Amino acid sequence: SQQGEEDPQALSIQEGENATMNCSYKTSINNLQWYRQNSGRGLVHLILIRSNEREKHSGRLRVTLDTSKKSSSLLITASRAADTASYFCATVSGNTPLVFGKGTRLSVIA
Amino acid sequence: NAGVTQTPKFRVLKTGQSMTLLCAQDMNHEYMYWYRQDPGMGLRLIHYSVGEGTTAKGEVPDGYNVSRLKKQNFLLGLESAAPSQTSVYFCASSSLTDTQYFGPGTRLTVL
Repeated sequence: SQQGEEDPQALSIQEGENATMNCSYKTSINNLQWYRQNSGRGLVHLILIRSNEREKHSGRLRVTLDTSKKSSSLLITASRAADTASYFCATVSGNTPLVFGKGTRLSVIA
Repeated sequence: NAGVTQTPKFRVLKTGQSMTLLCAQDMNHEYMYWYRQDPGMGLRLIHYSVGEGTTAKGEVPDGYNVSRLKKQNFLLGLESAAPSQTSVYFCASSSLTDTQYFGPGTRLTVL
């Protein structure tokens, strides 16, 4: 079974707008990670947030984590056409490997 | 520094044929993983390894075998391919359970 569930499944926005994707999970975690996948390519790591952190930033990316609600959000500010991709959250619990959600497909229209 | 490489990039098999996918990493990572990705789905873990000579089952291990004879290599074998194994296969490696680094994928079609 998949731990993380992203919402929405698909998102279409205009260039320059902000994009927000959410991830919910079921059990306690050590960390939560966000990855990007361009069509036909391997996944690329974006950001890792540990269970004792509430917010992290990396360039135009902002990730929040609410362990009480078992949820995380990824915000991409001032989106660009090059941000068009699928975005996955993945969780680590104990010593088990990453468990990925099904992803959010983001389309940024120029 | 090539990161994670996968061989081959594409392959077409007939039902019942066997093949081996090779994954290599040059980052001295302890952990290596094999995933499959089907259309509209996330990644599902097939098998993984936490060190040379060790392997463990993931979420969807049936029909696959793996070996980790060298730290830098992780092989995925299909002994008797089935159409249900048509998928894109990704290998990844990591240091412990932190950031995973992915290969470019192998697109496998089983006819």
